[in-house]
Amino acid sequence: GESVGLHLPTLSVQEGDNSIINCAYSNSASDYFIWYKQESGKGPQFIIDIRSNMDKRQGQRVTVLLNKTVKHLSLQIAATQPGDSAVYFCAENNAGNMLTFGGGTRLMVKP
Amino acid sequence: NAGVMQNPRHLVRRRGQEARLRCSPMKGHSHVYWYRQLPEEGLKFMVYLQKENIIDESGMPKERFSAEFPKEGPSILRIQQVVRGDSAAYFCASSSGPTTDTQYFGPGTRLTVL
Repeated sequence: GESVGLHLPTLSVQEGDNSIINCAYSNSASDYFIWYKQESGKGPQFIIDIRSNMDKRQGQRVTVLLNKTVKHLSLQIAATQPGDSAVYFCAENNAGNMLTFGGGTRLMVKP
Repeated sequence: NAGVMQNPRHLVRRRGQEARLRCSPMKGHSHVYWYRQLPEEGLKFMVYLQKENIIDESGMPKERFSAEFPKEGPSILRIQQVVRGDSAAYFCASSSGPTTDTQYFGPGTRLTVL
């Protein structure tokens, strides 16, 4: 989940389809993971979190999956809506005081 | 039920001036974090504070940058003698507890250095 610079990967989906956004994290000692949604000109908005003693957690229309073996996190959004269009960041807390953010994925929802 | 508040939302400074960014945490939160975001990139941790204490400043540049969270009033991120490379969005987050408690973010301050 390192920041890769100027161009965010983009996921384009049709309204009503399911979206899957992936994230690879870097530190095997991380024990807490969060997905944030950031709309243009706004701060990151908390979506869902998961702790390392779980491999799946569900919220309203969203599911987070954690695979510690391959250090992979995914966010699934069911029935994607135009209002879901944003940049999505995964973040990990590796037992320290900070969140380490991935590079982000831009989700574009086509009506 | 106010969230994290930051002001100003936009700040323009000329090179060499000082920038002061303010953050009021959510009600009941005593842990404050500052992050910086460059365009099209993720947020980078700068500093973590509790009331009157700097807990972790490992992400702060060694010079020109300082932060405080006084007993009364908002947390302040201060950048002295700004340079063009300081232009970025600066976000504050707060939590009710340390480390694995959820951090909630403010709307950010967009600093532009001319």
